[in-house]
Amino acid sequence: QSALTQPASVSGSPGQSITISCTGTNSDVGGCNCVSWYQQHPGKAPKLMIYDVSNRPSGASNRFSGSKSGNTASLTISGLQAEDEADYYCSSYTTSSTLYVFGTGTKVTVL
Amino acid sequence: QVQLQESGPGLVKPSQTLSLTCTVSGDSISSVNYYWSWIRQPAGKGLEWIARIYTSGGTNYSPSLKSRVTISVDRSKNQFSLNLSSVTAADTAVYYCASGGLTHPFDYWGQGILVTVSS
Repeated sequence: QSALTQPASVSGSPGQSITISCTGTNSDVGGCNCVSWYQQHPGKAPKLMIYDVSNRPSGASNRFSGSKSGNTASLTISGLQAEDEADYYCSSYTTSSTLYVFGTGTKVTVL
Repeated sequence: QVQLQESGPGLVKPSQTLSLTCTVSGDSISSVNYYWSWIRQPAGKGLEWIARIYTSGGTNYSPSLKSRVTISVDRSKNQFSLNLSSVTAADTAVYYCASGGLTHPFDYWGQGILVTVSS
């Protein structure tokens, strides 16, 4: 089971919106609404930002939103802020024996 | 809210067994229908799911590590544990414990523990 594909880096200016993609297959991203997104600051544990494609847990900013089309899920950060500078990972349940697969990770830079 | 805390040795010798424990607070490990997982992250690299155990005791393992991994739960201590045998330098990583539901299994995370495999 290969990792889900994410762009290595995405950047934007404060106030702008950016979108991070997460591409998989019919066995994972495309197979169910089981995609989650995590934010990870340096030296810290990942933090859940979106689950089940588009649901936001309590404690996550409403500037974060998720969607999915076919085998690609997306995370959009609107009104970009300096504190959003971090690594972002997607994950998905998969019907393969691997069970759960993570994305390759995207470094978000606020210019 | 569930809180998780990893503990264990930070240094393990090659060929030995890495043993880590995750202590759960904020709720009973037996009372919630959660999956309890271990995940690792080598320095500068991405996340890798290792294993999970369900409240009932059912287990699943990553195929790439299955032959070396055991996950277990100690309900009396509200803890779950990871054993990884025959470690090599490639097993050096930050190890996280996490919990969540079936489709979103990593809602809550521990702070992580760095384990270095070296003689």
